[in-house]
Amino acid sequence: RKEVEQDPGPFNVPEGATVAFNCTYSNSASQSFFWYRQDCRKEPKLLMSVYSSGNEDGRFTAQLNRASQYISLLIRDSKLSDSATYLCVVNSNTNAGKSTFGDGTTLTVKP
Amino acid sequence: NAGVTQTPKFQVLKTGQSMTLQCAQDMNHNSMYWYRQDPGMGLRLIYYSASEGTTDKGEVPNGYNVSRLNKREFSLRLESAAPSQTSVYFCASSEWGGTDAEKLFFGSGTQLSVL
Repeated sequence: RKEVEQDPGPFNVPEGATVAFNCTYSNSASQSFFWYRQDCRKEPKLLMSVYSSGNEDGRFTAQLNRASQYISLLIRDSKLSDSATYLCVVNSNTNAGKSTFGDGTTLTVKP
Repeated sequence: NAGVTQTPKFQVLKTGQSMTLQCAQDMNHNSMYWYRQDPGMGLRLIYYSASEGTTDKGEVPNGYNVSRLNKREFSLRLESAAPSQTSVYFCASSEWGGTDAEKLFFGSGTQLSVL
């Protein structure tokens, strides 16, 4: 079993739709969680951190469920520009080098 | 503000050739990383340097060596390239121990093909 698992998709949604991605992790000692966005052939860029209390940034909401060991990303009112691959990242240690990436979920928003 | 700069952007090698990928960051970050990304997969850590003067193996270190030249620069060397090393390579840095600890900032990537 992979340490971080994501549904690869692809998710194909119309503009304006709401879409949610889940990510599960196996290490219960994991301490910090992130969503990164990666456009085709580009570098990953940090989208948002994920906190236990949940956090929102505009149309994006991230939530963490430690008991069930999963994190989620909700995108409301999808835009064409949201089309990308979304990577779930889990950090299991306070030391550097301990970030584990999921394989990513691909989202395509269509007109 | 350049952030993380890596060179070259593209490289084609023949099996057995050697090359060095260069990476530099101007954000005064303590930690630097080299990842590889294969099609349809997430990033896998090759080597990292938690701070200047230290380097450690990641998940897939075989066939690679690294040098943390100074706080800004972290290079990745392939001594004898193999087709299995065909991949996209990303350098990254993070401000380990600071308020942005664990948040990774990436270079634009190197597309490497080994024939």
